[in-house]
Amino acid sequence: DGGITQSPKYLFRKEGQNVTLSCEQNLNHDAMYWYRQDPGQGLRLIYYSQIVNDFQKGDIAEGYSVSREKKESFPLTVTSAQKNPTAFYLCASLRGRGAFFGQGTRLTVV
Amino acid sequence: GQNIDQPTEMTATEGAIVQINCTYQTSGFNGLFWYQQHAGEAPTFLSYNVLDGLEEKGRFSSFLSRSKGYSYLLLKELQMKDSASYLCAVRDQDTDKLIFGTGTRLQVFP
Repeated sequence: DGGITQSPKYLFRKEGQNVTLSCEQNLNHDAMYWYRQDPGQGLRLIYYSQIVNDFQKGDIAEGYSVSREKKESFPLTVTSAQKNPTAFYLCASLRGRGAFFGQGTRLTVV
Repeated sequence: GQNIDQPTEMTATEGAIVQINCTYQTSGFNGLFWYQQHAGEAPTFLSYNVLDGLEEKGRFSSFLSRSKGYSYLLLKELQMKDSASYLCAVRDQDTDKLIFGTGTRLQVFP
């Protein structure tokens, strides 16, 4: 069953801790993306990657880091430097005419 | 840079037709996506236009004019379940960067 999977669906983090969000796809898509969505707002681009071992900053990369060691995987780390990390995080992958999202991870700082 | 504009909110009546507009300014263009997003959920893919013209898919159609930097999503025979946000996204020609507008929240009334 092909698709893009994010885990976990809900995540709670204490202030000062780093946390890693998982994103895996088996669609053989080259490009992958991470977005942040705040309540009632649009999607803002954090990082994106066109190929393995290469990635680019989006509009709001500060306080986040990524890696792209495998085509299928594009994990996002929310570091303690991110001032306001509570948000809905969405991962997407793209190839040709198709760009699809995972189900999202809702991160809450407690 | 890139700039994408959509109306913030629209309302319509069940059974009616509604057109959601999207205008964009980009340095390089390689297609435009439309997504539907229900509250608290991830966006789902609706359409992709890369050439000028109208593409129809059931009750939903999408139109693109590259020379005018303009697209619209047309929803026919509106149903209550069509109440959602509709997101327009532009794909950059050189980087595959995928940039979203702020979305249009559509409310369908009986």
